[in-house]
Amino acid sequence: DQQVKQNSPSLSVQEGRISILNCDYTNSMFDYFLWYKKYPAEGPTFLISISSIKDKNEDGRFTVFLNKSAKHLSLHIVPSQPGDSAVYFCAAAYNQGGKLIFGQGTELSVKP
Amino acid sequence: GAVVSQHPSRVICKSGTSVKIECRSLDFQATTMFWYRQFPKQSLMLMATSNEGSKATYEQGVEKDKFLINHASLTLSTLTVTSAHPEDSSFYICSARLFKVWTSSGTDTQYFGPGTRLTVL
Repeated sequence: DQQVKQNSPSLSVQEGRISILNCDYTNSMFDYFLWYKKYPAEGPTFLISISSIKDKNEDGRFTVFLNKSAKHLSLHIVPSQPGDSAVYFCAAAYNQGGKLIFGQGTELSVKP
Repeated sequence: GAVVSQHPSRVICKSGTSVKIECRSLDFQATTMFWYRQFPKQSLMLMATSNEGSKATYEQGVEKDKFLINHASLTLSTLTVTSAHPEDSSFYICSARLFKVWTSSGTDTQYFGPGTRLTVL
C-alpha cells in the first residue's frame, strides 16, 4: 500500500524555466511533509519542508505548496538550473522528526 | 552543520558472513537515528528506528535477528547484517534526527548519510 505517490518517474525541463514536481498522499494523518534531492549512490539531501498547518513554504528558488483537501503537495523550482538534475523524493511523516514514508521519486533533468 | 557519515561506503562479502555498517552524526547529537534500504530504481524503505540507549523499533517484515541495530552513543548507530545472503544486497542509508530548538518555530528534520552499497556474492 503506497501511502505516498509520485506518479511521474521523470521530468525534463529547460534551464531557466520552472520545474514542478508533484506528490500525492493517502493518509490524512500525515502532519509534516519534506522534499529531498538525491544523486545516485548518495544519501538524500534535505531541501525544504512544510507543516500541515501551512499551505506554502519558500526557500530561495524552492517553494513547496500543500493542498490538504486534495492530499497533494508540489515542489516548484524557479529558475531551474542544470545542477538541479537529480532524483527528487517527497516524504511524509505523522509528526516532525518522526519516521518518514517516501514516494518513489521523480528524476528531474534540466537541459542547458 | 548537520553532517552524517557512513562507513564503509561499499562492501562486498561472501554469503554467510556478517557485515557491520556505522552511521555517525559528526557535528550534532542524535537521540534518534533511522535505517533505510533502497533497491535499484525504488524508493527508500524504512527498516528500523534506533533510539540511543534502548532497543530499536523494527518495521513490519524486517527481521530483527538478521538486522542488528545498536545505538550506544548519541553520535553512533550501527547496523549489522548477519549471515548475509545475495538477496540482502542493497543500498543501506542511515539518517539522524536533528531538532533545531533555537529557531523561532523549531525544526525537526532527518539528515541522511551518504549510504553504503552492500553486495553479497
